[in-house]
Amino acid sequence: EIVLTQSPGTLSLSPGERATLSCRASQSVSSNFLAWHQQKPGQAPRLLIYAASSRATGIPDRFSGSGSGTDFTLTISRLEPEDFAVYYCQQYGSSPFTFGPGTKVDIK
Amino acid sequence: QVQLVQSGAEVKKPGASVKVSCKASGYGFTNYGITWVRQAPGQGPEWMGWISAYNGNTNYAQMLQGRVTMTTDTSASTAYMELRSLRSDDTAVYYCARGGGSLMPDYWGQGTLVTVSS
Repeated sequence: EIVLTQSPGTLSLSPGERATLSCRASQSVSSNFLAWHQQKPGQAPRLLIYAASSRATGIPDRFSGSGSGTDFTLTISRLEPEDFAVYYCQQYGSSPFTFGPGTKVDIK
Repeated sequence: QVQLVQSGAEVKKPGASVKVSCKASGYGFTNYGITWVRQAPGQGPEWMGWISAYNGNTNYAQMLQGRVTMTTDTSASTAYMELRSLRSDDTAVYYCARGGGSLMPDYWGQGTLVTVSS
């Protein structure tokens, strides 16, 4: 089973700042099948990025993903008020398709 | 537009079973799988497994083997997840999502709260 570790656990930033979130896998993610999901309180997760760097339909270009193998990054170039949420990485290259523990981005 | 609409909240006693439905619309149901994910209160998501809506093949998380069954009714574009022998630590919001296998979960249902309590 691939274990995903996300850092930091919490990121306190102001609107307009840049956010950099990390996801590290315990072994290489097959075909870089790594997704990032955003979740707000009381809501279902929402897919942001798939295949490490492809934006999902309707996702603003301030969200970008990068990385390969075992190290992946989600970058939010300029935080908007609606971006304060929890972000989870998930690998879907090897069963079981595990999730990371999440990074909470909150308002400083 | 793609929509996944799940059945309503359930309260069950330990040892009982629950069956959650997920009705899909806005796309060719048999062209995608359905993934099931649960989220316990205050915790991150936990992948439960997925089912191919094309041929019914399933892939379950090892920790749930023997207690979970995922099925589909292609005539109704609906997927089902049944969990048996419920325990208190099965209390969670259960989500279905389109996708599975090499496809990421891209559209999610609204979630179904299952509470297991005596």
